[in-house]
Amino acid sequence: DIQMTQSPSSLSASVGNRVTITCRASQSIYRYLNWYQQKPGKAPNLVIYAASSLQSGVPSRFSGSGSGTDFTLTISSLQPEDFATYYCQQSYSTPRTFGQGTKVEIK
Amino acid sequence: EVQLVESGGGVVRPGGSLRLSCAASGFTFDDYGMSWVRQAPGKGLEWVSGINWNGGSTAYADSVKGRFTISRDNAKNSLFLQMISLRAEDTAFYHCARETSLAAAGYMDVWGKGTTVTVSS
Repeated sequence: DIQMTQSPSSLSASVGNRVTITCRASQSIYRYLNWYQQKPGKAPNLVIYAASSLQSGVPSRFSGSGSGTDFTLTISSLQPEDFATYYCQQSYSTPRTFGQGTKVEIK
Repeated sequence: EVQLVESGGGVVRPGGSLRLSCAASGFTFDDYGMSWVRQAPGKGLEWVSGINWNGGSTAYADSVKGRFTISRDNAKNSLFLQMISLRAEDTAFYHCARETSLAAAGYMDVWGKGTTVTVSS
């Protein structure tokens, strides 16, 4: 199975800050990498698919990049509604696997 | 409105069985694959199982292989997860999700709110 490792596990940031989360796969997954946002008590919400494609309805301050084994999710200017946990997930093969999550907290 | 609604969760003893259902509406169900994803209390997301559009291809996480069976009824716009030999570690919130493709490059773009499964004696 492909292992997905995110860093950091948590971070504290202020509104307006630029935030970057990284995700590393245990083998090349080309660009088959998705990012999800989850708020407490809610279902996950797709943010980025295929490494860099913005899901419809998601603000343009979110962006994704990377290929192969290393990927990043960037929030260009953190807003109050962005405080949540973010998960990467590979869709290169089954079983699908998620990273352990990165909790973005208010500083 | 595109919607997924799970049901069938509950409390079950170790070794017991449970069948989860997911009712889909607002989209052409048999145009999509589907997946089940779970989240144990205070833990991260774990993909459990997926099925392609016609049920001809299925996949499972190693942790549930041989104990869980995914299926679908396209005529009833429904997805199922039959769970047997349940263990305490299966305790989680179970979400169904619309999967654009079970092959490479798929992503889960619609999620249900989930149903709770508790395995306890």
